[in-house]
Amino acid sequence: NAGVMQNPRHLVRRRGQEARLRCSPMKGHSHVYWYRQLPEEGLKFMVYLQKENIIDESGMPKERFSAEFPKEGPSILRIQQVVRGDSAAYFCASSPGKETQYFGPGTRLLVL
Amino acid sequence: GESVGLHLPTLSVQEGDNSIINCAYSNSASDYFIWYKQESGKGPQFIIDIRSNMDKRQGQRVTVLLNKTVKHLSLQIAATQPGDSAVYFCAENNAGNMLTFGGGTRLMVKP
Repeated sequence: NAGVMQNPRHLVRRRGQEARLRCSPMKGHSHVYWYRQLPEEGLKFMVYLQKENIIDESGMPKERFSAEFPKEGPSILRIQQVVRGDSAAYFCASSPGKETQYFGPGTRLLVL
Repeated sequence: GESVGLHLPTLSVQEGDNSIINCAYSNSASDYFIWYKQESGKGPQFIIDIRSNMDKRQGQRVTVLLNKTVKHLSLQIAATQPGDSAVYFCAENNAGNMLTFGGGTRLMVKP
């Protein structure tokens, strides 16, 4: 049973470009969460999605950030017009319900 | 509470000793708690969880203790091994399904 998969593992973008981060949840999990982690800090919640629905986006910046979890395919976290402050590790987690969240390996975004 | 980006507190133990990692949580309404282990360059790995109707739960070499009166959580690792070296985070889950993470503790195991 494959775990949560994320790609790319590393992503380099120049300021002003777009970043697209993908997450495939564990088989049978319909709940997806995105978190962001700065060095030496804990993870900070961004958004919680179920298939085709955003349930809670209270941790996501109102501008430039968006997330989706379509009926088919992976969940996507999209960051438009990236700035240096967006550099961080972005983790996706999945769960079958309100239970333990299992994390993927993360995408490390570096904005030059 | 919110992490402010300070260096992580570090616990250094000798191989074979027991380790105790502590965590204070913020929300008295939280009903589910999880300990995660994070190795360098990897995602958080589930270790053990506990619900608020319990005060102790044991796994293989790990024990989690929950004190709701003082909003305190601890993780005990028996016979610590070099492979246990990592950053450990506690996380609380309240009604909204999101996890709120503590600031983390770095465990270093000396051979």
